[in-house]
Amino acid sequence: DQQVKQNSPSLSVQEGRISILNCDYTNSMFDYFLWYKKYPAEGPTFLISISSIKDKNEDGRFTVFLNKSAKHLSLHIVPSQPGDSAVYFCAASAKSNTGKLIFGQGTTLQVKP
Amino acid sequence: ETGVTQTPRHLVMGMTNKKSLKCEQHLGHNAMYWYKQSAKKPLELMFVYNFKEQTENNSVPSRFSPECPNSSHLFLHLHTLQPEDSALYLCASSQVGENTEAFFGQGTRLTVV
Repeated sequence: DQQVKQNSPSLSVQEGRISILNCDYTNSMFDYFLWYKKYPAEGPTFLISISSIKDKNEDGRFTVFLNKSAKHLSLHIVPSQPGDSAVYFCAASAKSNTGKLIFGQGTTLQVKP
Repeated sequence: ETGVTQTPRHLVMGMTNKKSLKCEQHLGHNAMYWYKQSAKKPLELMFVYNFKEQTENNSVPSRFSPECPNSSHLFLHLHTLQPEDSALYLCASSQVGENTEAFFGQGTRLTVV
C-alpha cells in the first residue's frame, strides 16, 4: 500500500530544457508536500515544498504544482542543468499524523550537456 | 557542520555481530526518524520518536532496536541481521506540529555478510 508514487523511475533531459517530475498520492489527509534531491552516498536534501492551501510554489528554477483534486503534484526545473542530475524524491506529510514524511520511490533525472 | 550527523558512514558486519548506528541533530528539533533505503525501493520509514517517545514502529523486525536517550540523539542497535538488511540507513529530524521539512544525515551504508 504505497501512499506516494513516482511512476517514472528515470528521466533524461537535454541541458537548457524543462524537466518535469511527477508524483501521485492516495491519502487525502496529506497537507504538506516536499521534493528532495539525493546524490549517491548522501542523504536527501530538501529542495522545495508546498502546502495544500496553495497550488503553486516557485523558487528560482524550481516550481512545484499541486492538483488536489487529482492528488497529483509535479516539479518543474527550468532551465535544466547537468548539476541537477540526481534522484528526486517526492514526499508528503499530514500535520495530524506527527508530520512524518512518506516518500515515493524516486525518479532519477539525467541532464545531458 | 551538517545539522544531522550520522556515524559511522560505512559499516560491514557479520550476521552474528552486534553494532549500533548513531545519529545526532544540532537543530533543536523535537522529532527524529530512522529511514531505510534499499536498492530500487522508496525510502521506508522505520521508527519515529517525538519528544524522546517512540510513536511509531512500522513493523520493523526486532533485530532492529532503536533508542532515543534525549531529543538530540538517536541510536539504532543491530543484532543478528540478515544479508537482506544491507541498505542505506538514514536518520532525519524535524519539528513536529509545524509543516516544515525534515533534515537528513548523510546515512550509514550497511553491508551484512
